[in-house]
Amino acid sequence: EAGVAQSPRYKIIEKRQSVAFWCNPISGHATLYWYQQILGQGPKLLIQFQNNGVVDDSQLPKDRFSAERLKGVDSTLKIQPAKLEDSAVYLCASSSRLGVNTEAFFGQGTRLTVV
Amino acid sequence: AQSVSQHNHHVILSEAASLELGCNYSYGGTVNLFWYVQYPGQHLQLLLKYFSGDPLVKGIKGFEAEFIKSKFSFNLRKPSVQWSDTAEYFCAVNGRGATNKLIFGTGTLLAVQP
Repeated sequence: EAGVAQSPRYKIIEKRQSVAFWCNPISGHATLYWYQQILGQGPKLLIQFQNNGVVDDSQLPKDRFSAERLKGVDSTLKIQPAKLEDSAVYLCASSSRLGVNTEAFFGQGTRLTVV
Repeated sequence: AQSVSQHNHHVILSEAASLELGCNYSYGGTVNLFWYVQYPGQHLQLLLKYFSGDPLVKGIKGFEAEFIKSKFSFNLRKPSVQWSDTAEYFCAVNGRGATNKLIFGTGTLLAVQP
């Protein structure tokens, strides 16, 4: 089966600019996650969707980050305006259902550099 | 709050040495446990998982992990490492609660010297 698709793979922007990342999960997967992975750290959960509803966004810096999952399929994560500390790899993952014994599958990630 | 601790940040081993990476979690209920691996330049891949049953689980490439509920631990082991095992290893936990959040540890960077 096709994996989790993310684009772009790399992005370099100046601070205070905006940027958007796109994720297409595995077909039929209801749960979608966005993680931020700063160099040398583990992935940090930003937001979790179940279909098109938000399950958890407690770690999302809502003053600058936003995410949506229209129609419960693909998702976009936006940063506006970007700060230097947002430089990281942004990972998208999906799993088949919430609350069921299942694993998450990860995309290749988008490496963001803010200069 | 749910959390995961990995005690070894960097591990350097020679080929054929045995490996054990520690993972402890904090969560008040039933959990699913995972080890993910990230090879250089590649995406996160599942190494092994525990949902229920036998607490000793076997994964790909000769890796295994043991769930010890009383110690809230899920340590990863391999009896004899290879140079190709050089990668970063992440322990992850999701509680079987309402939100099913998947939380990761900080990772362990393993370097295997030929």
